[in-house]
Amino acid sequence: SAVISQKPSRDICQRGTSLTIQCQVDSQVTMMFWYRQQPGQSLTLIATANQGSEATYESGFVIDKFPISRPNLTFSTLTVSNMSPEDSSIYLCSARGGSGANVLTFGAGSRLTVL
Amino acid sequence: LAKTTQPISMDSYEGQEVNITCSHNNIATNDYITWYQQFPSQGPRFIIQGYKTKVTNEVASLFIPADRKSSTLSLPRVSLSDTAVYYCLVGEVNTGRRALTFGSGTRLQVQP
Repeated sequence: SAVISQKPSRDICQRGTSLTIQCQVDSQVTMMFWYRQQPGQSLTLIATANQGSEATYESGFVIDKFPISRPNLTFSTLTVSNMSPEDSSIYLCSARGGSGANVLTFGAGSRLTVL
Repeated sequence: LAKTTQPISMDSYEGQEVNITCSHNNIATNDYITWYQQFPSQGPRFIIQGYKTKVTNEVASLFIPADRKSSTLSLPRVSLSDTAVYYCLVGEVNTGRRALTFGSGTRLQVQP
């Protein structure tokens, strides 16, 4: 199955700033996704990153807050904009398709703490 | 969406068999059942996937009754390293958004 690398793995950010998380897959994949997981909680889907077009956001998530790019079949970024302490969470990149066609593969996640 | 229900937590001891059941009463004809395992500070990892009857791999078995309204993940002879959260997802695997929705999961604690 695909191997997903995310960076940064963790960061501490100041309120009001923005941070971009990068996700690199070692092979071409059909679909890429971004999830959020708060400590001790399950995963919540933020959006589907569409290659060459605007991301598809889930209810409760908007492009102005979480802009996403996907310039090709192996790379995506998620930006958390104008951060507040409520944005402190783990953000996970996921992919489906390619060699692991019918299952989701995840990166290790990016743990953000907003002060 | 095919909502899934799992026990919040389970406890076991090393060497025992653990069975985690997931209810999915409104599963659709094209839906598959997929289980993931998540360790602390890691992303979820695929364990097993099935459509009906029984599926077995080197890690686990998945039992699905004929009506497909539930499924049971079976972990044989668990060890301390099986302590993790286990998620059951239901949905179309190639196109369906439901296959992306994580429920609350089952937190398995294995004791020595």
